[in-house]
Amino acid sequence: KQEVTQIPAALSVPEGENLVLNCSFTDSAIYNLQWFRQDPGKGLTSLLLIQSSQREQTSGRLNASLDKSSGRSTLYIAASQPGDSATYLCAVGAWETSGSRLTFGEGTQLTVNP
Amino acid sequence: NAGVTQTPKFQVLKTGQSMTLQCAQDMNHEYMSWYRQDPGMGLRLIHYSVGAGITDQGEVPNGYNVSRSTTEDFPLRLLSAAPSQTSVYFCASSSPPGGTAPQYFGPGTRLLVL
Repeated sequence: KQEVTQIPAALSVPEGENLVLNCSFTDSAIYNLQWFRQDPGKGLTSLLLIQSSQREQTSGRLNASLDKSSGRSTLYIAASQPGDSATYLCAVGAWETSGSRLTFGEGTQLTVNP
Repeated sequence: NAGVTQTPKFQVLKTGQSMTLQCAQDMNHEYMSWYRQDPGMGLRLIHYSVGAGITDQGEVPNGYNVSRSTTEDFPLRLLSAAPSQTSVYFCASSSPPGGTAPQYFGPGTRLLVL
């Protein structure tokens, strides 16, 4: 059974700092990995999607990398801003006998202080 | 596009009552799914559908029913509510899994079962 772990569970940083969020997964047979953002009381917003054949994806100040062989992904946020405060979720997509499955980590709660 | 919409936003039920959580999407996505989000457990897949008339069970299907009569709608039915079903429920849709398209999530339904 796929398990996804995110470290740290919570992170508080001053504005302007560069930071890295970590995600690890136990089964490397995945077809993609997604990073989501969740604001309090809201749904999930997809930030970046990396296909299994790719090594990284970039969007603005965000960069996500994928090392499928070691079961790791990182989300790099450059020049953090208070508006980046949210919970960041990592999810891996894999095919199982019953069909496709998206398995989520529990998230990293990020607070960026002005 | 409205994206993925969910109703109601909040609901209180008594143990044993039944209800239907509504989900609709206007992106012509074939794949739709229901998740529940609980503290310390992350998001877990309840049921999913790969197209109209086709549904299958996810990780935690007990106590829930689904049907998919149209591409747009994917309602989730609680047959006899239990306190253990107190949670936040998210509906999601996407193009067929395994590709480059991310999943789009609705804003969620907060359910309290007394």
